[in-house]
Amino acid sequence: QSVLTQPPSASGTPGQRVTISCSGSSSNIGANSAFWFQQLPGAAPKLLIYKSNQRPSGVPDRFSGSKSGTSASLAISGLRSEDEADYYCAAWDDSLSGVVFGGGTKLTVL
Amino acid sequence: DVQLVESGGALVQPGGSLRLSCAASGFSFSTYAMHWVRQAPGKGLEYVSGISNSGAGTYYANSVKGRFTISRDNSKNTLYLQMGSLRAEDMAVYYCARGETLTGYPPYYWGQGTLVTVSS
Repeated sequence: QSVLTQPPSASGTPGQRVTISCSGSSSNIGANSAFWFQQLPGAAPKLLIYKSNQRPSGVPDRFSGSKSGTSASLAISGLRSEDEADYYCAAWDDSLSGVVFGGGTKLTVL
Repeated sequence: DVQLVESGGALVQPGGSLRLSCAASGFSFSTYAMHWVRQAPGKGLEYVSGISNSGAGTYYANSVKGRFTISRDNSKNTLYLQMGSLRAEDMAVYYCARGETLTGYPPYYWGQGTLVTVSS
């Protein structure tokens, strides 16, 4: 059971906009920023969004993040086949004194 | 470019010990907090441990507390994870990851991982 809650799956067709949610609590997302990672099959996780809505250099602006209260969201617009991957949210948890992750969302591009 | 190269993964018997290493390059190692995150086969990401840039502060998941020890050698740009009393549920790919200059943030950069197999 993960501390952060994500839907196990999401899907969309090429060109569509997809949103993945991440629900936490006052000790993690409510108090700290949310991060999002993309993990392609057989690869290490890669940072997509940091500090809730910041994109590292090299990440397309099709990816965007937002946070409201104890929840965060990742939006992917102009969906492409190469976006098919697992997506994880994460945040620092003040009560646990460590990083907590969501269980991951498998995105399928139909 | 930030590079993190893990080593030390191996097949170990239940109850055994193992030390993982992570060689860092491409950034000022002593400036950043570092983390270990693992992923069991077919499962999601699980935080294992973290350490502040100076090494004074350490953090552990409840599942490994008392069995694993994180440490760093800033003179060698190397992060370590000493693992003891290994269990079947510790079997996973272990990722070394670089954090922020302060603790209190998830990792930014990740290595490619090293596989730990626990089996008799």
